[in-house]
Amino acid sequence: DVKVTQSSRYLVKRTGEKVFLECVQDMDHENMFWYRQDPGLGLRLIYFSYDVKMKEKGDIPEGYSVSREKKERFSLILESASTNQTSMYLCASSEGGQKSQPQHFGDGTRLSIL
Amino acid sequence: GEDVEQSLFLSVREGDSSVINCTYTDSSSTYLYWYKQEPGAGLQLLTYIFSNMDMKQDQRLTVLLNKKDKHLSLRIADTQTGDSAIYFCAERGTYKYIFGTGTRLKVLA
Repeated sequence: DVKVTQSSRYLVKRTGEKVFLECVQDMDHENMFWYRQDPGLGLRLIYFSYDVKMKEKGDIPEGYSVSREKKERFSLILESASTNQTSMYLCASSEGGQKSQPQHFGDGTRLSIL
Repeated sequence: GEDVEQSLFLSVREGDSSVINCTYTDSSSTYLYWYKQEPGAGLQLLTYIFSNMDMKQDQRLTVLLNKKDKHLSLRIADTQTGDSAIYFCAERGTYKYIFGTGTRLKVLA
């Protein structure tokens, strides 16, 4: 079974802090994704990566950056946290290549910025 | 652009069938997916359908695809209280996955 592990289920930080959200997958997947989920807005893609050291902006990259130094790990960084970044953050991974490959999700990190 | 739409809420009685609907815009999508999200958890893949299929059945789940109308539905037979969750429809767009806003299914005992 695919396992996508997010480092924290709940996180509370203060405005202006630099925040790191970590995600690890154990299935050697090429693709990894970061989303945020807000009520009534569904999932919005922040960044994704199709290979090590490679990153692409999603729909809402402002205020975020990412790092993929190893294939299994994809980190989301909030450079200077703000209250409007309070949200549920979901990491996902998928195999590369054929379009059939579905995404597999972690359990999410509920981040509160005070 | 690419977009996926779903109704926000659905309420059914235990034992009845549930039908969750979804419309999408990207006619080039080859696969469409259904995910389930239980409270406080991530998204769990339920099933997916290839665009050259009209129907796919997997135990209590039936997926129907109408490519002409770009309409996808998920039918859950004999709905149970454990089926209460948010259900997301998703398509693989040009280079990324596009998700609907999710349909919250409430099952009444």
